[in-house]
Amino acid sequence: DTEVTQTPKHLVMGMTNKKSLKCEQHMGHRAMYWYKQKAKKPPELMFVYSYEKLSINESVPSRFSPECPNSSLLNLHLHALQPEDSALYLCASSQAVWGTDTQYFGPGTRLTVL
Amino acid sequence: GQQLNQSPQSMFIQEGEDVSMNCTSSSIFNTWLWYKQDPGEGPVLLIALYKAGELTSNGRLTAQFGITRKDSFLNISASIPSDVGIYFCAGPWANQAGTALIFGKGTTLSVSS
Repeated sequence: DTEVTQTPKHLVMGMTNKKSLKCEQHMGHRAMYWYKQKAKKPPELMFVYSYEKLSINESVPSRFSPECPNSSLLNLHLHALQPEDSALYLCASSQAVWGTDTQYFGPGTRLTVL
Repeated sequence: GQQLNQSPQSMFIQEGEDVSMNCTSSSIFNTWLWYKQDPGEGPVLLIALYKAGELTSNGRLTAQFGITRKDSFLNISASIPSDVGIYFCAGPWANQAGTALIFGKGTTLSVSS
């Protein structure tokens, strides 16, 4: 089983709202990732969690706040977003933290900021 | 930073035709991954390549890991309408902090029946 689940599937929020995206995997993977993807572009890395600790933050604005409550869950808390933050947000996981391991993606959350 | 050069950018083919796309890099990668993405969905792993020279098939898909470790190609034989989507090559790039995937810019495939 190589399933990564994400909720919600779609999210519409105003610029003053606070919302959260959720990601879950039960493959025992030790690394989890958040990516942002604009239409017709490749995914762009936002954050990497290794063994439940934030290991990479690709200079993401503080209005995006990641959280890893346990080895199976990854959250992305959203606050005071801008319309340009509208995108597909993808979660991924991999068995290994370092090296050349394969990453498996969830179906994504389509975020629209009004 | 690291870049993967993927070509072609788009392809328009007839059902039943074969398709080929490739990815090159100026740096050596130890793994090459090929993903397919349908609109509004996450990328789905098609083929993973772990060894230089490796040729791997998955149904009508065949991918090869270049012998120099700086390139890879993906072939689709006898295309069908459900092959429509965006195909991305990707390579894991590890540093002290962790591993990030470097993506090509994608090949958009359109299939007419």
